[in-house]
This record gives sequence, C-alpha cells and structure tokens, in this order.
Amino acid sequence: DAKTTQPTSMDCAEGRAANLPCNHSTISGNEYVYWYRQIHSQGPQYIIHGLKNNETNEMASLIITEDRKSSTLILPHATLRDTAVYYCIVRIRETSGSRLTFGEGTQLTVNP
Amino acid sequence: KAGVTQTPRYLIKTRGQQVTLSCSPISGHRSVSWYQQTPGQGLQFLFEYFSETQRNKGNFPGRFSGRQFSNSRSEMNVSTLELGDSALYLCASSPGTSDVGQFFGPGTRLTVL
Repeated sequence: DAKTTQPTSMDCAEGRAANLPCNHSTISGNEYVYWYRQIHSQGPQYIIHGLKNNETNEMASLIITEDRKSSTLILPHATLRDTAVYYCIVRIRETSGSRLTFGEGTQLTVNP
Repeated sequence: KAGVTQTPRYLIKTRGQQVTLSCSPISGHRSVSWYQQTPGQGLQFLFEYFSETQRNKGNFPGRFSGRQFSNSRSEMNVSTLELGDSALYLCASSPGTSDVGQFFGPGTRLTVL
C-alpha cells in the first residue's frame, strides 16, 4: 500500500468546514483512498473512499486531485462530536483482501 | 442491521495464560479482520478471514491465531500471554467482495498482568 502523509493535528471552530489534507504521492493506478476516523477509545469508523472522482456522502466529501497525489477530506459543518483522529489510507481493492495499514493520522479538535 | 459485536469488552489475564476473543460481523458480511491497537505501535493488522479461510496475515508471532466459522463469526486466540499483549483488540467486518469499507466493533480491552 502507498505511504500517506498527514498533519499531526488540526483545529477547527464548531460550525465551520474542516479540511483535512493527505499526501499520497506514490499512489498507483489501482489504489483507492479511504478515510476512517477514531473517536477516543472507540473502534475506527469508515467515512468515505474514492478512486479518482470526487465523492460525497452524508458524512463528508472527498476531493482527489487530478494527478491523484493528494486528497482532502471535508467535513462541511464540524461539530464537537467530530473531534477524533482521522486516518487517510491508500490501498488496493478490497476484493483482494481487507488489510488496512493505519498511519499516525490527524488529531482534529473541534472547538466551541 | 446490527453492528459488529465483540465479546468480552474487557478482560484481565496474567502472563502465560491464553485468551480467546470473539467477534460477530454484520449480517451478510463474509470478511472479518482483526487489529491490535497499542499506544506505542498504533493500529496494526493481525489477520483477515474470508469464507472460513485466512486471506491475509500481518507480522505477528504464531502465538496469535484465529479462525472463522461457517456463520462468519470469528475468534482470535493469544497463547502464552506477555505483558506487551495488553492492547485494544478490534474486529472489523466487510462484505469482502465489494469496496464499501470496513466496519469496526467496539473492541476488547485486554490487560495482561
């Protein structure tokens, strides 16, 4: 799986958009970008994933650059409950196995 | 649908003992993966089972083993426990045949004394 680089920590004001960046310059053509988050002492939670097109669901939006070397997870209206560690993971299709390689992630703190 | 369930939630063992943890995946999911989370090493992949067969394996010693039953429920076993095995053990399920992400359980907190 390709290596990812994320900032160690970020702050965001409640109600504002949180934009979490991820660099994955060695990503290959068959690798997807996945985002998970982990609220303290809970199991990680799947957020969203994409290959090359931008994706949106009820939780977040994922913007992948045209060269696919970086991406941004957007939480449009952050709440205090969004405070968590966010992990960006690059991996091949799940049909070949469900192994996830977690890095350090970004600690997002949403402030009132 | 009910989420992923793990039992027990908390466990205290002593060095040298063995332990078995259980995971029930989301109904219809055929893949179950296990992860270990410690403050020092973070989240690390242990192994994955798909349709009762181990499909992927992480870099852990043979003391760590697992199995999956025909109903997709999975167990992992750790023998000859060491202090360093104290961790949060997480189970995740997915269909295994489509790219929809994995769904994690709440974990089992194992403390080895």
